Amino acid sequence: GENVEQHPSTLSVQEGDSAVIKCTYSDSASNYFPWYKQELGKRPQLIIDIRSNVGEKKDQRIAVTLNKTAKHFSLHITETQPEDSAVYFCAASKGTDSWGKLQFGAGTQVVVTP
Amino acid sequence: DTGVSQNPRHKITKRGQNVTFRCDPISEHNRLYWYRQTLGQGPEFLTYFQNEAQLEKSRLLSDRFSAERPKGSFSTLEIQRTEQGDSAMYLCASIAGGSKGYTFGSGTRLTVV
Repeated sequence: GENVEQHPSTLSVQEGDSAVIKCTYSDSASNYFPWYKQELGKRPQLIIDIRSNVGEKKDQRIAVTLNKTAKHFSLHITETQPEDSAVYFCAASKGTDSWGKLQFGAGTQVVVTP
Repeated sequence: DTGVSQNPRHKITKRGQNVTFRCDPISEHNRLYWYRQTLGQGPEFLTYFQNEAQLEKSRLLSDRFSAERPKGSFSTLEIQRTEQGDSAMYLCASIAGGSKGYTFGSGTRLTVV
């Protein structure tokens, strides 16, 4: 089955700096890659996603890149703010749309210090 | 309808007892998922429903676990003869075809003592 690895497990950045989280996946049939943000004690929330026919997607300060050949994708957060502090999860799915079963990475704890 | 609702929020039970959790998805969402999340890990897939049909169960789900979605609306997850290893956050998520990603509930935190 699919295996998703996520690095680093913790990331500490100064406010205003950029943060990058990387994920690799094993199943070349995976074609949908969402990122979820989970604040302490709260539910995971979708922040951005990308499909396999797209190499990059941006939404304000966050962007995701996908390299299908290398089977890895990354989340980039620019101009980090304290409210970006949370656990971020990458995931992969073989579904033909966004509603398939997701295989999640182990998560990255991001701490933004003022 | 303000989102996915899960009850109870917390459950403490003694080893060997049975527990049941409930999930009320967003009403127009026809697909419902159950995931389990342990500390420091991402959510792990358990099972999912398309309307009332249970279409897939994870190999992680032992015979002690059962889930239902009798009328294609709310769902229940039952764990029989609980073990300490069942302690986790149980997350429900729902989604409609073509929509933008899952909506997760706040989860039920199970502690088996």
